[in-house]
Order: sequence, then C-alpha cells, then structure tokens
Amino acid sequence: EAGVAQSPRYKIIEKRQSVAFWCNPISGHATLYWYQQILGQGPKLLIQFQNNGVVDDSQLPKDRFSAERLKGVDSTLKIQPAKLEDSAVYLCASRFNRGEHTEAFFGQGTRLTVV
Amino acid sequence: AQSVTQLDSHVSVSEGTPVLLRCNYSSSYSPSLFWYVQHPNKGLQLLLKYTSAATLVKGINGFEAEFKKSETSFHLTKPSAHMSDAAEYFCGNFNKFYFGSGTKLNVKP
Repeated sequence: EAGVAQSPRYKIIEKRQSVAFWCNPISGHATLYWYQQILGQGPKLLIQFQNNGVVDDSQLPKDRFSAERLKGVDSTLKIQPAKLEDSAVYLCASRFNRGEHTEAFFGQGTRLTVV
Repeated sequence: AQSVTQLDSHVSVSEGTPVLLRCNYSSSYSPSLFWYVQHPNKGLQLLLKYTSAATLVKGINGFEAEFKKSETSFHLTKPSAHMSDAAEYFCGNFNKFYFGSGTKLNVKP
C-alpha cells in the first residue's frame, strides 16, 4: 500500500514570495491533515479536511495561508506572502475516517526555509 | 479542552537500560491518547494508543505505556533501549489529533 506522498521535499524561498505544497493521501482516506512543525517543537495542526470539506482551520493563519482539497483526494497548502517565521517542516497526514481512534499516516514532509 | 505535556525535552540512556518518557494529560473527561515516534528523515509512526479498553498498552518495538488516571499520566516505557530507538517521541490525544512538544531520546553505546 502506498503511503502519503508529499512534494517537494525541500523548498527555499525569499520572504514575501509565495509557495505551495502538495499532498496525495492514502487511497480511500477521507480525513486529511496539514501540520506545521517548527524545529524543536511538536507538530501543530493547521487544517483538517473531511473529504473536500474543512472540519477545523482554527489555527490556520488565514491572512497568508490557504489550503484546498477540491475533489476530496489531493490537497495543496499555500503560503502567500511567506515570512521568516514560516520556516518549518509541513506535514500531511491522512486517516481512513474520522473515527475516534483510527491511526493517522504521515508523509515525510516538506522542509521550507524562508530567507 | 484537552492537552498533553511532555515533561522532558531530552532524555539520554545507555543501550540496554530502561527507557522512561513522561507525558501528563489534562482533560475534563477520559481522554484517548497516543504515542508517535519520528526517526530522522522519516515520517511519524504510531507506537501505541490508549482507548480505555486496558490501562496497560503494548506497542511496537517493545514499547508500552500505562494510563494512570490518578496521576493524569501516560508515560512511555521500554525495558531495554536499543540504538535504533534513538528518535523523537510525541505524546498526543485523538481530540483534534493534538501533539505534545516532543522528547528527543538519545541512546549511548
């Protein structure tokens, strides 16, 4: 079974530029998460999708971050414009359903460096 | 609101000695908790989870955790550390899939 795929693996941009990350979840997984993991910290949830609907985006900085999952499969996360403090690893995860105790599977992440 | 606190940011043990990684939770009701592991340059992987079926939970790679309501704790243990256990470990809860700040485990030869 293929895992969660993310691209690119690494990205370096200048502040004020824009950037987009892509995630392909495990086939059949209805729930998709985007996390931000700053060096030395735990993953922080940015947004949760159930199929193509947003369940929780309370911690997404909506003035600069946006995410979509138009067909309920792939998802993209965009930052525009980027700030230095956005340097982090962006993780995508998927779950089969939003059942209480089902495991979430994680991709390897995209490491973003803003200079 | 539910949250977890990992009490140690770094833990260092010698190979073959026991491992203890501490996690406390705060919850107004019985939580559902997990431990994930993150090896360098690899994705997060579920170690084990507590879902109120049994207080002692066994996971992969010889790890286990005990849910103690009286202490609001869910500490991760392993009797004997291996070099391959060196990684970062995250405690969390299934409510909004929230993660703690992490504990980096170093295993010395």
